[in-house]
Amino acid sequence: DAKTTQPNSMESNEEEPVHLPCNHSTISGTDYIHWYRQLPSQGPEYVIHGLTSNVNNRMASLAIAEDRKSSTLILHRATLRDAAVYYCILFGGSNYKLTFGKGTLLTVNP
Amino acid sequence: EAGVAQSPRYKIIEKRQSVAFWCNPISGHATLYWYQQILGQGPKLLIQFQNNGVVDDSQLPKDRFSAERLKGVDSTLKIQPAKLEDSAVYLCASKGSSGRNNEQFFGPGTRLTVL
Repeated sequence: DAKTTQPNSMESNEEEPVHLPCNHSTISGTDYIHWYRQLPSQGPEYVIHGLTSNVNNRMASLAIAEDRKSSTLILHRATLRDAAVYYCILFGGSNYKLTFGKGTLLTVNP
Repeated sequence: EAGVAQSPRYKIIEKRQSVAFWCNPISGHATLYWYQQILGQGPKLLIQFQNNGVVDDSQLPKDRFSAERLKGVDSTLKIQPAKLEDSAVYLCASKGSSGRNNEQFFGPGTRLTVL
């Protein structure tokens, strides 16, 4: 399975933008980049996904590098409710399973 | 739309005892998953059902774990006998057959402690 690399933890201040990086240098042409997050004591929830172009939805934006070997999840204005573990996952191609790594623990300071 | 329901939310048992977890997926979702999440790690897929058939159980420890989805709706996951290393959160997820993003919807999980 193609793997992703994320920082173990990041910190942000409330109402500031947050950029969560993910490296996936072995991504294949048919792999989608999915992001899920897991709030404390809850199951993971879908955030956003993309293939090649940048994507926006009500929760976040996803910026994908031109060579697709890295991507960045952008939270435009972090709130305390955004404190969670964020997982970057490659899905599709030869892998139709969500394979979670350890993710990035985001702490949001008031 | 009601989410994925799981029960119980918490369970404490002693090693070598049996335990069962129940999951009711979102109505109409054909695909159901069970994950195990050990503290400090991401969830790990144990088994995937499509309706009432098993699609993938390659990471299910079949000597002690079993799962069924008899009518293609709700599902149970059983551990018999439990070991200390089975202490984890067991998450159920479901996915509809339509949808453009293969989004999985997760339940709140059952936290199992084996003493």
